[in-house]
Amino acid sequence: SQQGEEDPQALSIQEGENATMNCSYKTSINNLQWYRQNSGRGLVHLILIRSNEREKHSGRLRVTLDTSKKSSSLLITASRAADTASYFCATGDSGYALNFGKGTSLLVTP
Amino acid sequence: DSGVTQTPKHLITATGQRVTLRCSPRSGDLSVYWYQQSLDQGLQFLIQYYNGEERAKGNILERFSAQQFPDLHSELNLSSLELGDSALYFCASSVVVSSPTDTQYFGPGTRLTVL
Repeated sequence: SQQGEEDPQALSIQEGENATMNCSYKTSINNLQWYRQNSGRGLVHLILIRSNEREKHSGRLRVTLDTSKKSSSLLITASRAADTASYFCATGDSGYALNFGKGTSLLVTP
Repeated sequence: DSGVTQTPKHLITATGQRVTLRCSPRSGDLSVYWYQQSLDQGLQFLIQYYNGEERAKGNILERFSAQQFPDLHSELNLSSLELGDSALYFCASSVVVSSPTDTQYFGPGTRLTVL
């Protein structure tokens, strides 16, 4: 069953702009991960944030986690056409499987 | 390239048939996970193996089964296929099973089409 819900479902921006995607989840988690998927291909791991962390950076990516609101956000700064993809948040609880949301489809136009 | 390989890339078959999907984890990874991605259900966890043993089960149908072999590769068997089984099937691997914070590395997937 789905745990995370991404918002918005779709986002269209121009190159150079920032893209923000949000994820909400329902139950307590150990960690939250963000993945990228290019058009029907495999998922690429972007970043993992643990439940005791509030913010994490990786290159042009910034992830925040608010466990009191059960939400996370992924910010991609200075977006590029190559960032066009679907972005999924996935939560890990006390088990080991990941629970994925339905994803945000990001389109970056030149 | 995640280091996880899956074969075949595409599979087209008819209802009622049986297929086997194969996955080789990253070198050194002991844990293998199978996921199904369909348009209506999204990405769903099916089953996990660690060092040859089943560790967790998700939304896996009884018509589906999996196993992990001594060389750590895994196979997902889908039988009595139905139209609704058409989906992308992903395998992922991680180093150990003892930490829920392990990153899972995904393979490129097998696209199954049931006609």
